[in-house]
Amino acid sequence: GDSVTQMEGPVTLSEEAFLTINCTYTATGYPSLFWYVQYPGEGLQLLLKATKADDKGSNKGFEATYRKETTSFHLEKGSVQVSDSAVYFCALNDFNKFYFGSGTKLNVKP
Amino acid sequence: KAGVTQTPRYLIKTRGQQVTLSCSPISGHRSVSWYQQTPGQGLQFLFEYFSETQRNKGNFPGRFSGRQFSNSRSEMNVSTLELGDSALYLCASSVRQGYEQYFGPGTRLTVT
Repeated sequence: GDSVTQMEGPVTLSEEAFLTINCTYTATGYPSLFWYVQYPGEGLQLLLKATKADDKGSNKGFEATYRKETTSFHLEKGSVQVSDSAVYFCALNDFNKFYFGSGTKLNVKP
Repeated sequence: KAGVTQTPRYLIKTRGQQVTLSCSPISGHRSVSWYQQTPGQGLQFLFEYFSETQRNKGNFPGRFSGRQFSNSRSEMNVSTLELGDSALYLCASSVRQGYEQYFGPGTRLTVT
């Protein structure tokens, strides 16, 4: 069946460091891929999405490219800020069903 | 446009009781999904409703049920509460099935 695997956290970085959070997926069909972010005490917020292979989603300095050949959708940001500290979830939608990864906690230190 | 709203935000119940949580989707959104989030199990899918019909269901016991009204608002009910039902319950809406989901702030349920 479909599934999403994310790198385990927490990931701790200094401000202005480069961020990569790995995400790989298994899907039966041709899924859409998403990254969500959850700040403490809040629900999940859609960060970016990609609907087909080679699409690049981007938002607020974050980006991720839909790589069908490696079944990956890694999240990257060139320079993180303290305000980026949160839990990041990779997700896919396949045949109208959503599957979420376990989440990766990011801590950014000033 | 107003976001997804969930009521109540916090709830404390006793084991054996039942509880009803409410979700109002974004205007124009017809699909509503419910998730349970716990530190140990992460985000787990409960069920999805579209046009007042349950379209998908996760692996939860029958104590967990839901419904959707003609205005797309949704409720979920948990009967005979157990300590393990303590969690953050998240509602998400989308224009229709398969589209990106937008989440509410959640209802924090504590069962004592």
